[in-house]
Amino acid sequence: EPEVTQTPSHQVTQMGQEVILRCVPISNHLYFYWYRQILGQKVEFLVSFYNNEISEKSEIFDDQFSVERPDGSNFTLKIRSTKLEDSAMYFCASSEFIRLSTDTQYFGPGTRLTVL
Amino acid sequence: ILNVEQSPQSLHVQEGDSTNFTCSFPSSNFYALHWYRWETAKSPEALFVMTLNGDEKKKGRISATLNTKEGYSYLYIKGSQPEDSATYLCAFGDDMRFGAGTRLTVKP
Repeated sequence: EPEVTQTPSHQVTQMGQEVILRCVPISNHLYFYWYRQILGQKVEFLVSFYNNEISEKSEIFDDQFSVERPDGSNFTLKIRSTKLEDSAMYFCASSEFIRLSTDTQYFGPGTRLTVL
Repeated sequence: ILNVEQSPQSLHVQEGDSTNFTCSFPSSNFYALHWYRWETAKSPEALFVMTLNGDEKKKGRISATLNTKEGYSYLYIKGSQPEDSATYLCAFGDDMRFGAGTRLTVKP
């Protein structure tokens, strides 16, 4: 069965460094998403992406964050200058159709980001 | 209710027991409600997307109901098995607001 994959599974970085988290969505899906979960807190929506553009973003998704689909398969989340509070599990998701929240979103296993 | 709330926070049942838990959400401007099953170290698995008041959906021993007027959804598991042990998450609305989850442990 097709699945969303994410790499790496765990990333450790120093505060102030740039990190890129990678995702390969399900191949025929059109909408892509990033979420995060800070330890002990709820899963939070960051951004959705469609047709090579951001379609929705939350207040969390500030100028330090960017997303890109550099080729036909990868979807990346970049954090330019990491802060301690960026430490979290980051989930990528994808959905087949256009509408944000009535279509099933398929999640990857997550990347745990630790900022030291 | 302004946020998405799930109860109980955790639940321990014996194998074979049936169980249910609740997701509460703002009753105004309903759009959709999602249920996910999340086992540790695995991807959250989509269970249901519910969009209509009175919706009832079923997947094997798991079913869900939706009441948009009063702002809640129930998830039922019939005859719980140890492999049902996971965290069950609901997410509401256009901006996918998640609840904190219900952690279910099924003891053999």
